[in-house]
Amino acid sequence: DAGVIQSPRHEVTEMGQEVTLRCKPISGHDYLFWYRQTMMRGLELLIYFNNNVPIDDSGMPEDRFSAKMPNASFSTLKIQPSEPRDSAVYFCASSLAGTGDETQYFGPGTRLLVL
Amino acid sequence: QKEVEQNSGPLSVPEGAIASLNCTYSDRGSQSFFWYRQYSGKSPELIMSIYSNGDKEDGRFTAQLNKASQYVSLLIRDSQPSDSATYLCAVNPRHAGGTSYGKLTFGQGTILTVHP
Repeated sequence: DAGVIQSPRHEVTEMGQEVTLRCKPISGHDYLFWYRQTMMRGLELLIYFNNNVPIDDSGMPEDRFSAKMPNASFSTLKIQPSEPRDSAVYFCASSLAGTGDETQYFGPGTRLLVL
Repeated sequence: QKEVEQNSGPLSVPEGAIASLNCTYSDRGSQSFFWYRQYSGKSPELIMSIYSNGDKEDGRFTAQLNKASQYVSLLIRDSQPSDSATYLCAVNPRHAGGTSYGKLTFGQGTILTVHP
């Protein structure tokens, strides 16, 4: 299996621009998670989906952030407009419920720099 | 009080020694506990999960859980330079019968350095 795939791996943009991060979970996994990691705040859960349905978006920082999961193999996290404080590493992770194993498998991350 | 707290580190141990990493959590009803390892510039990867009080061993790693004291620890025996990484404690604050599957809260991480 290819694991969780994220794109782009690096993104540099200017303040005010729209940023779209993409994630392909491990095939067959029914949970998908979006995290943000910074030195100051550590690893934070932003939102997660179960069977393509958003379950908990309480970690989304503000209305500038939105996430979608149109099908089982694709999700996006969009920031519009972007701000310098959004600079962070964004991770996508997936897992499979019902097996007694709650392991979350993380993608390689997208390193976002907003100038 | 933070939901999940780890000893701040960094922690430096000599090769071959035991590294002890500690974590406390605030939600007494939490049921699931995890240790992730993150190498610099890489993504977190699961090392151990533990759900019941006591010890759980996997190779050189032992996770210990004490729900009464609300702490979970990770021991690494015979530490190797390749163990040098940031170790993240994660807790699923769901209670028994709860529905917040997978909603992990992570600690800030402890940086471990194993020197030859």
